[in-house]
Amino acid sequence: DTAVSQTPKYLVTQMGNDKSIKCEQNLGHDTMYWYKQDSKKFLKIMFSYNNKELIINETVPNRFSPKSPDKAHLNLHINSLELGDSAVYFCASSRMDRTYTEAFFGQGTRLTVV
Amino acid sequence: SQQGEEDPQALSIQEGENATMNCSYKTSINNLQWYRQNSGRGLVHLILIRSNEREKHSGRLRVTLDTSKKSSSLLITASRAADTASYFCATDSNYQLIWGAGTKLIIKP
Repeated sequence: DTAVSQTPKYLVTQMGNDKSIKCEQNLGHDTMYWYKQDSKKFLKIMFSYNNKELIINETVPNRFSPKSPDKAHLNLHINSLELGDSAVYFCASSRMDRTYTEAFFGQGTRLTVV
Repeated sequence: SQQGEEDPQALSIQEGENATMNCSYKTSINNLQWYRQNSGRGLVHLILIRSNEREKHSGRLRVTLDTSKKSSSLLITASRAADTASYFCATDSNYQLIWGAGTKLIIKP
């Protein structure tokens, strides 16, 4: 059973398109995240959702928007894709118990904008 | 913001040797976590050490935490080829998990 699953695994698209990446967790966690890992392997948090409320919103372009239909899902929508958006995007989840417990990651979505 | 910094950025050792990686951070923390990332895969949690702990063991892993120096080290003993991966530290601080840039570990057969 996959704990955190995200789709698609690979996404190649043209500049200017709008795309979505889906994420689902079956761990019953109350917090989900989206991370971006660039070519230098820096892992940067983009969004964090706790109980369907955005609690951290890093300074990412507003072309990126998280959508959480329920506690088990956090999808990432990207509008007007740019070349610089090419990266690997990871979804993760954890349980928030006063402090953060271990985070479980999806396998990543490699986005290539051409 | 990038708080943690791993050192070294890359490490290449012979199978069977011990590997030590370090992580430094800037602000006070609740806990510090180490993760492993195999090429092209997601991160996998290895070990969590709380701010009131100084050392923790898990199998061949040993983690130390020095809050006075704001640093942590991850020791992998008797390394194996399967340990080849990137290792990241993450600090739980101010309701965020803040990540370092990672250490790339290569185990040579």
